[in-house]
Amino acid sequence: QKEVEQNSGPLSVPEGAIASLNCTYSDRGSQSFFWYRQYSGKSPELIMFIYSNGDKEDGRFTAQLNKASQYVSLLIRDSQPSDSATYLCAVTRQGAQKLVFGQGTRLTINP
Amino acid sequence: DTGVSQDPRHKITKRGQNVTFRCDPISEHNRLYWYRQTLGQGPEFLTYFQNEAQLEKSRLLSDRFSAERPKGSFSTLEIQRTEQGDSAMYLCASSLDTGGFYGYTFGSGTRLTVV
Repeated sequence: QKEVEQNSGPLSVPEGAIASLNCTYSDRGSQSFFWYRQYSGKSPELIMFIYSNGDKEDGRFTAQLNKASQYVSLLIRDSQPSDSATYLCAVTRQGAQKLVFGQGTRLTINP
Repeated sequence: DTGVSQDPRHKITKRGQNVTFRCDPISEHNRLYWYRQTLGQGPEFLTYFQNEAQLEKSRLLSDRFSAERPKGSFSTLEIQRTEQGDSAMYLCASSLDTGGFYGYTFGSGTRLTVV
């Protein structure tokens, strides 16, 4: 079982709709959870992090964490074509510095 | 400050040659990380430094790989006797002490192609 699992997609969403990206992790000792966005040929860019159960909102982005079920999700409201990218989920263990990444989900927003 | 800087952006080398990449972190960041990313995969951890001390190394970092951060500022990653399987994007990132909690900032990466 991989430490962090994501559906590789592609996930296709019409412009203006809500895009929902999901991630599961295996280590119950994980402390922080991250969503990075990566455009083709570019490096990952941190969008959000979350460490408490529940929702965390930042503009059009909402991260949701459920530690009991060991999943974290990212919602993108009012999706724009510029949101088309690969979204990487990453986690760190308690006290650790290493981010463990999933393989990423490729998202396409269709105009 | 312009973020994490990596040089070169692209490197094409023949199999068996040695290559060296450089990373300049954000100036106030004391932690520096190296990751490798192959096509269609997420970044994989290689190693990290706190100041000049190398605190953790992945099993991916074979004896052909060596990383240094001599004065706690910039870092180099050297690959000796390159193999085709080394072709990847090599990413450097930096953070404050809280990087594992709040995340870190990646540089633009060095894309290595071994022919």
